[in-house]
Amino acid sequence: DGGITQSPKYLFRKEGQNVTLSCEQNLNHDAMYWYRQDPGQGLRLIYYSQIVNDFQKGDIAEGYSVSREKKESFPLTVTSAQKNPTAFYLCASSIAGGPTEAFFGQGTRLTVV
Amino acid sequence: GQQLNQSPQSMFIQEGEDVSMNCTSSSIFNTWLWYKQEPGEGPVLLIALYKAGELTSNGRLTAQFGITRKDSFLNISASIPSDVGIYFCAGQLSNNNDMRFGAGTRLTVKP
Repeated sequence: DGGITQSPKYLFRKEGQNVTLSCEQNLNHDAMYWYRQDPGQGLRLIYYSQIVNDFQKGDIAEGYSVSREKKESFPLTVTSAQKNPTAFYLCASSIAGGPTEAFFGQGTRLTVV
Repeated sequence: GQQLNQSPQSMFIQEGEDVSMNCTSSSIFNTWLWYKQEPGEGPVLLIALYKAGELTSNGRLTAQFGITRKDSFLNISASIPSDVGIYFCAGQLSNNNDMRFGAGTRLTVKP
């Protein structure tokens, strides 16, 4: 089945450690996105990528990094520079090149202790 | 970044009632999308709107793309308990695939 997969569903890390969240899609979508969601809040854009080897910062990119070496994969690294990393992280993908629908993964809940 | 103002923030309604929520922005969007999110899950797309003035239905859900391209509304008719969740609007700017979300409307339906 085609879809977008985030792993793991739950992740615990110690403060000061970098952690990488996985996002894979087999929908042949060019564009991929990372959002952060805090309790009772909407989704805030961290990074997005429209094509392999290219990505742009969203509204809250500080303390995060991404790579897009393959069309199917868009991993997000939460670095130790991110001051408040505990949140629900959502990855999405869509067809690039114009207005289109985005589809989401199930999310990863990151807790930093 | 561009702000989407979504209202109301929350709604408590009786089963069978109709619901209306909306999003407005100071920016012009090429696409409006409406999503529903249940606890601990990713948002699921409900309706996509691509043209100003467009009115689209999906079962008991109806959404419209405002004429000014700066607003959209979502209506749910004859609500049922499984409509409970958080509804988000999203607007997509131009052709750069930059997609922005409203803060969500939390819907509670009392049986």
